[in-house]
Amino acid sequence: NAGVTQTPKFRVLKTGQSMTLLCAQDMNHEYMYWYRQDPGMGLRLIHYSVGEGTTAKGEVPDGYNVSRLKKQNFLLGLESAAPSQTSVYFCASIDVGGGNSYEQYFGPGTRLTVT
Amino acid sequence: LAKTTQPISMDSYEGQEVNITCSHNNIATNDYITWYQQFPSQGPRFIIQGYKTKVTNEVASLFIPADRKSSTLSLPRVSLSDTAVYYCLVVLNDYKLSFGAGTTVTVRA
Repeated sequence: NAGVTQTPKFRVLKTGQSMTLLCAQDMNHEYMYWYRQDPGMGLRLIHYSVGEGTTAKGEVPDGYNVSRLKKQNFLLGLESAAPSQTSVYFCASIDVGGGNSYEQYFGPGTRLTVT
Repeated sequence: LAKTTQPISMDSYEGQEVNITCSHNNIATNDYITWYQQFPSQGPRFIIQGYKTKVTNEVASLFIPADRKSSTLSLPRVSLSDTAVYYCLVVLNDYKLSFGAGTTVTVRA
């Protein structure tokens, strides 16, 4: 299993440009998450999904959109990038059907710089 | 969200036991407590989870008192490679999982 993968690993955008970050998991997990982590800070939840076709807002959803058209993929979109969105973005998934395990599996992260 | 509070940082030396306490005063009946470890430039890694009393695995122990308003992660005999940020999370019924600021543990030789 590849686990959770993220594409791309690095990206530099100019203010106002758009892009989509892709998260893929091959563990058949129901729940998926997008976090951002600014330097020296903890992770903040952007959006999450409790199943294919569903999404929900986290703590800091403004400026981002998400889609979960397929169970294994969770896309994070920036329509008009701003310097404040410079951060490392982590995707995670969790298996809620396997008993009382609450282990989140994280991807390697996408480092995004907006100039 | 069940808010958690942890110390910002802790220092230790190799071979010592490190105990990190997390406060979660408004934890609900069905919520679980989980702990994660994060190294620089990596995503967090699950360490341990628990509901009550004590849980132990090959990496750490988790102590949860009867009122469940706090929990303590215990790392036995730490080494330099245990230097990392440790996060306490409360897993809510809706699985809206949020991380706090975490505790930076620095292990010195």
